[in-house]
Amino acid sequence: GENVEQHPSTLSVQEGDSAVIKCTYSDSASNYFPWYKQELGKRPQLIIDIRSNVGEKKDQRIAVTLNKTAKHFSLHITETQPEDSAVYFCAPNMYSGGGADGLTFGKGTHLIIQP
Amino acid sequence: KAGVTQTPRYLIKTRGQQVTLSCSPISGHRSVSWYQQTPGQGLQFLFEYFSETQRNKGNFPGRFSGRQFSNSRSEMNVSTLELGDSALYLCASSFSYPGTEGYTFGSGTRLTVV
Repeated sequence: GENVEQHPSTLSVQEGDSAVIKCTYSDSASNYFPWYKQELGKRPQLIIDIRSNVGEKKDQRIAVTLNKTAKHFSLHITETQPEDSAVYFCAPNMYSGGGADGLTFGKGTHLIIQP
Repeated sequence: KAGVTQTPRYLIKTRGQQVTLSCSPISGHRSVSWYQQTPGQGLQFLFEYFSETQRNKGNFPGRFSGRQFSNSRSEMNVSTLELGDSALYLCASSFSYPGTEGYTFGSGTRLTVV
């Protein structure tokens, strides 16, 4: 199975500043690395993902970087805005075609954007 | 395109009873997975179905079971409810298995066991 750790558990940043959340995983066979955002009272939503053949992916203000050697990947949010306040989950998973253990989520990072 | 639909949205059950939750995936999606979300444990994987077959199962007791129908709709059943089963139950659908294009979540069923 997959052992997943997310840091920090809570992150408070000033509006306009950048935020970085790190996810560490244990299974070296993991090859798909998504990040989900869950606003208060709402469903988790996929915001960005990356596959093991890519080191970095960017979508406007958000980016994900992957270090397969060190077995961690990070979510980067630049120019943070109030609507970025949410809980963010990583969910690294092995997709070898031989079966997976389902999505294993990190414990989540509560991102607070201070006005 | 309709999203993932979960019914009911809220449920209150008594300890010892059983409950069935329903999930209708996005049209065309054939994979459905279920998760339990609690403040203490976060999001925990229950099981995943694809083409009416259970592909994976998380670390939950046998009281938790599920199934998937030929139209990809899925149900989850919990028997002999315990107070600790109170949680938000989320289902998610994906076009393929494994869902390497990501999963779309429903709004969840909030189960309260009293």
